[in-house]
Amino acid sequence: EAGVAQSPRYKIIEKRQSVAFWCNPISGHATLYWYQQILGQGPKLLIQFQNNGVVDDSQLPKDRFSAERLKGVDSTLKIQPAKLEDSAVYLCASSLGGSLADTQYFGPGTRLTVL
Amino acid sequence: RKEVEQDPGPFNVPEGATVAFNCTYSNSASQSFFWYRQDCRKEPKLLMSVYSSGNEDGRFTAQLNRASQYISLLIRDSKLSDSATYLCVVNFNKFYFGSGTKLNVKP
Repeated sequence: EAGVAQSPRYKIIEKRQSVAFWCNPISGHATLYWYQQILGQGPKLLIQFQNNGVVDDSQLPKDRFSAERLKGVDSTLKIQPAKLEDSAVYLCASSLGGSLADTQYFGPGTRLTVL
Repeated sequence: RKEVEQDPGPFNVPEGATVAFNCTYSNSASQSFFWYRQDCRKEPKLLMSVYSSGNEDGRFTAQLNRASQYISLLIRDSKLSDSATYLCVVNFNKFYFGSGTKLNVKP
């Protein structure tokens, strides 16, 4: 079974530039998550989708971050404009349903460096 | 106060040792609990879910104490391959990850 795919794997940008990340979840998984993991910290949930609807985006900095999940499959996360403190690994995860007990499967992440 | 707190370690142990990690959580209404493992520069992977009755998977045992709001992970007979960061995860309406406890198993 193919895992969660993410691209690009690495991205280096200047502050105030824009960047977009792409995620393709495991086939058939209804729930998709975007996390931000800053070095030395655990992942922090940015946004959770159930199919193509937003379940939780309370920790998404909406002045600069946006995310969408068209047709309930692939998702993109955008940062515009980027700040130095956005340097982190952006992890996408998916789970079969929306149950609290569902296992989350993570993609390899996109490592973003903002200079 | 953070929603989930863990001792960052590192825990440096010899092969064959038994090691235990604790994790505390702030919200008594938390509903589900997990341990994830994260290797250096890799993504987190589920190690095990944690149930109220406690559960065991081979050399790994997880316990939940709702009254004291902590969960624990016990690793017996440590292997070199157990070296990783162990993330405690708690769900109350959304998933909260601890910062992780780093384990180094030495030959």
